Amino acid sequence: EPEVTQTPSHQVTQMGQEVILRCVPISNHLYFYWYRQILGQKVEFLVSFYNNEISEKSEIFDDQFSVERPDGSNFTLKIRSTKLEDSAMYFCASSGWGTGDTDTQYFGPGTRLTVL
Amino acid sequence: RKEVEQDPGPFNVPEGATVAFNCTYSNSASQSFFWYRQDCRKEPKLLMSVYSSGNEDGRFTAQLNRASQYISLLIRDSKLSDSATYLCVVPPLFSGGYNKLIFGAGTRLAVHP
Repeated sequence: EPEVTQTPSHQVTQMGQEVILRCVPISNHLYFYWYRQILGQKVEFLVSFYNNEISEKSEIFDDQFSVERPDGSNFTLKIRSTKLEDSAMYFCASSGWGTGDTDTQYFGPGTRLTVL
Repeated sequence: RKEVEQDPGPFNVPEGATVAFNCTYSNSASQSFFWYRQDCRKEPKLLMSVYSSGNEDGRFTAQLNRASQYISLLIRDSKLSDSATYLCVVPPLFSGGYNKLIFGAGTRLAVHP
């Protein structure tokens, strides 16, 4: 069964450092997403991406965040200057179109980001 | 009113019990609804989609009441492996192709022997 993969599984960084979280969505999917979940809180939408541009972003997704699809398979989330409050689990998700299951989003296993 | 609101947990039930979770949503324009399951420190996994009045899949039944903006999930004959957090998910509006998911805070279920 195809699945979304994410690397690394755990990233520890110092405050102010840049981090890049990587995702490989399901290969025939066209829509890509990042969500985050602070420990003990609900899953929150960050950004959606389609056709090489951002479709929608939340208030959380400020200028410190960026996303990119550098090639045909990877989808990355960059945080330019990490803050303590960026510590969370970051989930990548993807969904397809025209497959009869268009709006089901499949999640990767997540990257746990710890900012010290 | 919160966008998606769920029963507070935890629900502690014995194996074999029937348990029901409730969820209310604020956006009357929402067209599709989901229940996801999340194990501790893992990713959300789709349990059921709900597009019309309800959906049934084995021991799991989801019901939708659009007039009351209310969704429920019923689990019959609970198993130990059902222990998890159940997330009610309501996209604001199906805009064709993609949609951000709005998650409830989740209801934790603990099934004991």
